[in-house]
Amino acid sequence: DAGVTQSPTHLIKTRGQQVTLRCSPKSGHDTVSWYQQALGQGPQFIFQYYEEEERQRGNFPDRFSGHQFPNYSSELNVNALLLGDSALYLCASSLVSGGRQETQYFGPGTRLLVL
Amino acid sequence: SQQGEEDPQALSIQEGENATMNCSYKTSINNLQWYRQNSGRGLVHLILIRSNEREKHSGRLRVTLDTSKKSSSLLITASRAADTASYFCATEKANQAGTALIFGKGTTLSVSS
Repeated sequence: DAGVTQSPTHLIKTRGQQVTLRCSPKSGHDTVSWYQQALGQGPQFIFQYYEEEERQRGNFPDRFSGHQFPNYSSELNVNALLLGDSALYLCASSLVSGGRQETQYFGPGTRLLVL
Repeated sequence: SQQGEEDPQALSIQEGENATMNCSYKTSINNLQWYRQNSGRGLVHLILIRSNEREKHSGRLRVTLDTSKKSSSLLITASRAADTASYFCATEKANQAGTALIFGKGTTLSVSS
């Protein structure tokens, strides 16, 4: 049973560029959440997708956008990259059961470096 | 914004010793979760304790929750070198549409043999 997978594992971009990160949820899960983790900090919630819609959003600018596909996989897009966007980007998947979201399981992350 | 704050920020112990780390949070919760992260990789879910529970065990892990003090503790007994990692507490921020996890800054545990 495959867990949460993310691609790529590492990425180097320059300021102003755009980046797309990808996530495949754990089998049977229907909800995907994205988090940004700066060095030495805890993960910060970016947004969550369920039924192909953004359901909740953290305090991140509109440069951060996402998408969820019918197979529940998801993409995170960041436009106009800033040096401060350098971080580990984590994807987590979960299942909504009985109207309640169950435990979130995390992928290994994508490390983004913006030069 | 960070809801939970772990204490201490860093902890160094010898193998076989117990490790205790604490978490304080600000608002009322439905549950509190602990996660482990090895060397900048993904987070591994350790344990979830609900607001109506006071203590929960899982193997060598013991979690307590004091809702009156808005605090939780994670105890790892008989620690091993493989327990070296960062540990985070997380609370949920839920609305009708979804649930976000709000993490603290974490405790970095180093276990030496």
